[in-house]
Amino acid sequence: AQRVTQPEKLLSVFKGAPVELKCNYSYSGSPELFWYVQYSRQRLQLLLRHISRESIKGFTADLNKGETSFHLKKPFAQEEDSAMYYCALSSNTGNQFYFGTGTSLTVIP
Amino acid sequence: DVKVTQSSRYLVKRTGEKVFLECVQDMDHENMFWYRQDPGLGLRLIYFSYDVKMKEKGDIPEGYSVSREKKERFSLILESASTNQTSMYLCASSLGGGVRYGYTFGSGTRLTVV
Repeated sequence: AQRVTQPEKLLSVFKGAPVELKCNYSYSGSPELFWYVQYSRQRLQLLLRHISRESIKGFTADLNKGETSFHLKKPFAQEEDSAMYYCALSSNTGNQFYFGTGTSLTVIP
Repeated sequence: DVKVTQSSRYLVKRTGEKVFLECVQDMDHENMFWYRQDPGLGLRLIYFSYDVKMKEKGDIPEGYSVSREKKERFSLILESASTNQTSMYLCASSLGGGVRYGYTFGSGTRLTVV
């Protein structure tokens, strides 16, 4: 069965410090991995997807199939990065996502 | 610019009531989903639909049903509300043929059952 694990429920970093939100997955096929973000009082929205190899708001994530990980990274955290982050997985033919339990990031001024 | 609309932002219902949560999308998406979001548990899939009049159970369908009579509308029904159904409910939609472009979420309905 597919599963997404985000080991940290809460993460606090100082402004300007690097940040890494961990995501590990288990999936027998070819997964597609995504990160979603939910800012306070806003709707959940797509942050980035591994197939696009994009950088959004300074965040990047590399799919490591050997370690089955898709950690989200940013070299210098900003206060506006404070939010709830969800890692999500889908198959390459799938129509639905499987979400992790989320990590609440707080960036301390 | 709003593309997925959930009819209520906040709802308070009594135990045993029948509750309807409505979701409408204007993007002509084939797929629609209902999740509940709880602290520490993340997003859990309740039901989803790939087409009009089609529905599939998700991970936690017990106590819920859904209706999709029109492509743009997906309703979640709590047949007899209970206090353990107090939660944030999120509706989402996506194009058919995979989730390459991700979901579009509604702003959520926070339901309190008293």
